Amino acid sequence: EVQLLESGGGLVQPGGSLRLSCAASGFTSRSHAMSWVRQAPGKGLEWVSAISGSGGSTYYGESVKGRVTISRDHSTNTVFLQMNNLRAEDTAVYYCAKVDSSVWYRRTYFEDWGQGTLVTVSS
Amino acid sequence: QSVLTQPPSVSAAPGQKVTISCSGYSSNIGTDYVSWYQQFPGTAPKLLIYDNNKRPSGIPDRFSGSNSGTSATLDITGLQPGDEADYFCATWDRSLSASFGGGTKVTVL
Repeated sequence: EVQLLESGGGLVQPGGSLRLSCAASGFTSRSHAMSWVRQAPGKGLEWVSAISGSGGSTYYGESVKGRVTISRDHSTNTVFLQMNNLRAEDTAVYYCAKVDSSVWYRRTYFEDWGQGTLVTVSS
Repeated sequence: QSVLTQPPSVSAAPGQKVTISCSGYSSNIGTDYVSWYQQFPGTAPKLLIYDNNKRPSGIPDRFSGSNSGTSATLDITGLQPGDEADYFCATWDRSLSASFGGGTKVTVL
């Protein structure tokens, strides 16, 4: 059974940093790209970032590009999202999602989701 | 603001059918596959449809999807009270950026 467990969310001041983690189990790490998707309170879903199964390729949404870094550790089957220079509009539940393919390309989809971790950016 | 447009809400009586549209452009829906996700309040989204019209194992055939150019559609037939949820479409926009629709709330009357 696939399990995705996010952690690392919390309250942070504008301009601050957070590192989110997604502990994955139940599947072969290198066989699947991974992604982060966020949802602001009462709003829709917004894609944030993705990383290939090998970890060699990374992708970012326009709203976070330059402020966010995605990485993964195959030894612990964990995906990370380092977020810097946080803004109020980054306040959201951040979901970790397992992608169906090892590569991130224009046919992949999010086949499994974690329960999310809440990030609140406020002074 | 989403580049994919969904109606904010749709409703129907139990047993009836609802159709949720997802309108985009020739540069996204017109050329790429669409997936759909179901989300109950306070929970994570769940994959419902992928590759326009394929269902993961465990998804009832009451849920079906289609893609006709610049618009995709999710149909729910035999509507049940347990289908009350938010539904999101997703595809691609520019290079390798995934894009979601704004979401549609389904209400069972």
